[in-house]
Amino acid sequence: DAKTTQPTSMDCAEGRAANLPCNHSTISGNEYVYWYRQIHSQGPQYIIHGLKNNETNEMASLIITEDRKSSTLILPHATLRDTAVYYCIVRSRNNNAGNMLTFGGGTRLMVKP
Amino acid sequence: KAGVTQTPRYLIKTRGQQVTLSCSPISGHRSVSWYQQTPGQGLQFLFEYFSETQRNKGNFPGRFSGRQFSNSRSEMNVSTLELGDSALYLCASSTGGGLYEQYFGPGTRLTVT
Repeated sequence: DAKTTQPTSMDCAEGRAANLPCNHSTISGNEYVYWYRQIHSQGPQYIIHGLKNNETNEMASLIITEDRKSSTLILPHATLRDTAVYYCIVRSRNNNAGNMLTFGGGTRLMVKP
Repeated sequence: KAGVTQTPRYLIKTRGQQVTLSCSPISGHRSVSWYQQTPGQGLQFLFEYFSETQRNKGNFPGRFSGRQFSNSRSEMNVSTLELGDSALYLCASSTGGGLYEQYFGPGTRLTVT
């Protein structure tokens, strides 16, 4: 799986959009971008994933650049409950590849009142 | 639908002892993965079981082992505990192969004294 690079930490004001960047310059054609988050002392939670088109669900939006070398996770209206460590993971979606996730350091997002 | 459950939630063991942790996946999920989380090393993949067979294995010593039962419940065992095994052990379940997102349990906090 391709390596990812994320900022160590970010702050965001409550109610504003949180934009979390991720670099994955070595991503290959069959690799997807996944985002998980981990709220303190809980298990990681799946947020969203995408291949090359922008994706949106009830939690967030994922914007992937045209060259697929980077992406941005957007929380449109951050709340205090969004304070967590956010992990960007790149992996193959091969059905035989199994479910091994390689977590990097992630971005610690602090949402402030 | 009930989420992933892990038992026990907290455990204190003495160096040299062994420990068994249990994970019950979401109903219908056939894949169970185990992760270790420590402040120093972050989240690291231990192994994955799919239909009672180990499908992937991380870079951990042989003291760490696991198994999966026919009802998809999984156990992991750590023998000859070391102080460095103190960690949060997380279990994640998924429907199948690399196509699907994973759902994590709350974890078992193991302290080795």
